[in-house]
Amino acid sequence: DVKVTQSSRYLVKRTGEKVFLECVQDMDHENMFWYRQDPGLGLRLIYFSYDVKMKEKGDIPEGYSVSREKKERFSLILESASTNQTSMYLCASSFGTGVVHEQFFGPGTRLTVL
Amino acid sequence: DQQVKQNSPSLSVQEGRISILNCDYTNSMFDYFLWYKKYPAEGPTFLISISSIKDKNEDGRFTVFLNKSAKHLSLHIVPSQPGDSAVYFCAASGGNNNDMRFGAGTRLTVKP
Repeated sequence: DVKVTQSSRYLVKRTGEKVFLECVQDMDHENMFWYRQDPGLGLRLIYFSYDVKMKEKGDIPEGYSVSREKKERFSLILESASTNQTSMYLCASSFGTGVVHEQFFGPGTRLTVL
Repeated sequence: DQQVKQNSPSLSVQEGRISILNCDYTNSMFDYFLWYKKYPAEGPTFLISISSIKDKNEDGRFTVFLNKSAKHLSLHIVPSQPGDSAVYFCAASGGNNNDMRFGAGTRLTVKP
């Protein structure tokens, strides 16, 4: 059974703070993804990674960075949190490239930036 | 600019009837389409998918139809059950990549 875990379910931070959101998957998936979910906008892709130390920008990378030092772990970093980054953040993972595979999602982290 | 659009934010149906959820896309490079279901406080879970070489895929009560010329797909749930009440997201992927684009979601409520 694939498991994707996220470090926190709820997080409250102040404007300007550096924020780390951690995601770990246990199925040896090559691909990992970070999305944010906002009402009326659905899931928007922030960053993704096809392999260790590799990263690709999604549709809304501004204000975010990522790190993938180990295959099972993908971190999303908010260098200086702002109120417009208040959102639900979802991490996902999937098997490798070539053929599209379903993504498995974590439970999400609801981040509030005050 | 959203490449995948779900124009109905909500849908309410009676238990036992058919639920039809719609999705439109704009990018002609998309060749694989998926539906995900999301309950509150949980991440989305995969429901059903379809490749662009097909126009229909069925799995139990769930059927996805793809109309490539119209760039439109739909999810049919028959018969609908109260446990189907959730937010449904349409997603699309193209080329050799595994990155996907999601729609805004449709909240389905199935009334007993």
